[in-house]
Amino acid sequence: AQTVTQSQPEMSVQEAETVTLSCTYDTSESDYYLFWYKQPPSRQMILVIRQEAYKQQNATENRFSVNFQKAAKSFSLKISDSQLGDAAMYFCAYRSPYGGATNKLIFGTGTLLAVQP
Amino acid sequence: GAVVSQHPSWVICKSGTSVKIECRSLDFQATTMFWYRQFPKQSLMLMATSNEGSKATYEQGVEKDKFLINHASLTLSTLTVTSAHPEDSSFYICSAKTGGKGYTFGSGTRLTVV
Repeated sequence: AQTVTQSQPEMSVQEAETVTLSCTYDTSESDYYLFWYKQPPSRQMILVIRQEAYKQQNATENRFSVNFQKAAKSFSLKISDSQLGDAAMYFCAYRSPYGGATNKLIFGTGTLLAVQP
Repeated sequence: GAVVSQHPSWVICKSGTSVKIECRSLDFQATTMFWYRQFPKQSLMLMATSNEGSKATYEQGVEKDKFLINHASLTLSTLTVTSAHPEDSSFYICSAKTGGKGYTFGSGTRLTVV
């Protein structure tokens, strides 16, 4: 079974600085999808970024980028120019490419990010 | 974009009563809906997966008779917590597949059983 591990329960960053959140996963599948979700205090889950395992190029979305290391099964999220609104719980998630019930997302335990003004 | 409307956003009920949580897909057909439970400062725990017109698939350890899931149409899935007890107090979130590789989440329901 696939597992997702986030080893940093809490992180803190100064406004305008850069922070990297770690995520590792375990799978025997060769193709899959990886996600980073943000959950602010409102608790609404928001997709931050998505990566397909077959793509070697790291995904980027404005100030958010990932460092996808397939061999190491690592998928870290870098937030550049951190803003106060980035303060949230961040979840890393894995999804199998196959259909049916296996389309579920498997979440890590989350990293609570604080942004200091 | 695809929106899932979840209601109620919060509910307080007495121990022993049942509570229904609804998730509606507003501008797309949700053939698959996932139901999660989340404790404070913890991750989302998948409870069950429902597909329109068929029985839900429950994760190991989730009581089927306590957490009744109905997905009778392509736009509505419901979770009913039956005979609720204080230990059922939690935050419940639904999520729908939006086609392709995407998912959209409801805004969640905070359930408090007194």
